[in-house]
Amino acid sequence: GQNIDQPTEMTATEGAIVQINCTYQTSGFNGLFWYQQHAGEAPTFLSYNVLDGLEEKGRFSSFLSRSKGYSYLLLKELQMKDSASYLCAVRGADSNYQLIWGAGTKLIIKP
Amino acid sequence: DTAVSQTPKYLVTQMGNDKSIKCEQNLGHDTMYWYKQDSKKFLKIMFSYNNKELIINETVPNRFSPKSPDKAHLNLHINSLELGDSAVYFCASSQEISGGAGDTQYFGPGTRLTVL
Repeated sequence: GQNIDQPTEMTATEGAIVQINCTYQTSGFNGLFWYQQHAGEAPTFLSYNVLDGLEEKGRFSSFLSRSKGYSYLLLKELQMKDSASYLCAVRGADSNYQLIWGAGTKLIIKP
Repeated sequence: DTAVSQTPKYLVTQMGNDKSIKCEQNLGHDTMYWYKQDSKKFLKIMFSYNNKELIINETVPNRFSPKSPDKAHLNLHINSLELGDSAVYFCASSQEISGGAGDTQYFGPGTRLTVL
């Protein structure tokens, strides 16, 4: 079967760094997305990885290792507004390029 | 100038009723989606349309029927609503569906459906 695993919840301190991991098992691979979802709001796009390595975008970076079926989202200089759920989604290789979604990691930032 | 919009934002209705949710995108995208997010926060794909053609139709009850009058609109009609239909329904769109970065999906604000 196809599945994506993420920790359910993480806690970090304002100003610190946190790494949210995502492991996946899918039929083929055509890219991995990270989304942020604040409570009661829609998911918003953060990053896209299709090749191995690190993609940096301001305070957020995303890493991919296709051979390990592994990605992480790194958040630096944490702010209270970063408290949200972070969703990992993988596009497999079926003909419809359907996204397979993880359940999300709820990140709680403490002062 | 909202990119992906949905109406209504909240919908409270009785079991057995029929209701519709509308979605519009002004991004010029070719592909649109409907997702259901339940209380456990899992995003579950329901349908996907590419250029008005149905391409993903997951196992959902046939009480749910999508309609795409044009590329910019994808509506969801639900017949005979049940308690288990209570969830947040998200519409999304992407430029294309080709397995690349152009597949990035942009979500509407969601419709919170409560069936009593």
